[in-house]
Amino acid sequence: GAVVSQHPSWVICKSGTSVKIECRSLDFQATTMFWYRQFPKQSLMLMATSNEGSKATYEQGVEKDKFLINHASLTLSTLTVTSAHPEDSSFYICSASLGRGRGGAQHFGDGTRLSIL
Amino acid sequence: GESVGLHLPTLSVQEGDNSIINCAYSNSASDYFIWYKQESGKGPQFIIDIRSNMDKRQGQRVTVLLNKTVKHLSLQIAATQPGDSAVYFCAEGGYTPLVFGKGTRLSVIA
Repeated sequence: GAVVSQHPSWVICKSGTSVKIECRSLDFQATTMFWYRQFPKQSLMLMATSNEGSKATYEQGVEKDKFLINHASLTLSTLTVTSAHPEDSSFYICSASLGRGRGGAQHFGDGTRLSIL
Repeated sequence: GESVGLHLPTLSVQEGDNSIINCAYSNSASDYFIWYKQESGKGPQFIIDIRSNMDKRQGQRVTVLLNKTVKHLSLQIAATQPGDSAVYFCAEGGYTPLVFGKGTRLSVIA
């Protein structure tokens, strides 16, 4: 149980385009999902908390107009990287919490590797 | 600010030996800790967790030890196997957002 699916797993696109990444909880409902960014050989950096039916909560330094998050249902959150540039290239990972809100155990998707040319 | 860190960035162990991965945390108010395993190109996989009212918790081949006095957390892997090769992260949680440590790469020598 507690499977989180992320799609696509890898995307390459030209600078200036927008990219949408989907995160789905397959066998449970998640009122809260999380989006992380990970650079090579580094740890996960929390970008934002996605709340079903309300606005996402962004961490300090993360541009909300750059990284659009939508959590329209209890099983789906999307992250759209708008007008992507090479510096946005990274590994983006989503997760969902089964309890205790933001500080509880999270189950992760397998990530999306984004490469901007 | 508060942070979670690791003592050893890399660890190489012989197959069959026990592995110990360490983590230090600085937030004395932390009450929940988790170990994750991340294989190359994949998302972190939950291994084991422990709450602050416990000193030790065991799973299948893994044990987590918590020393609140010195704010130290460790993950012990018994009879390490090649499939254990990965990066291991500790994470601190509770009523605050999950904070990840820098990670330790475990390499198993066959």
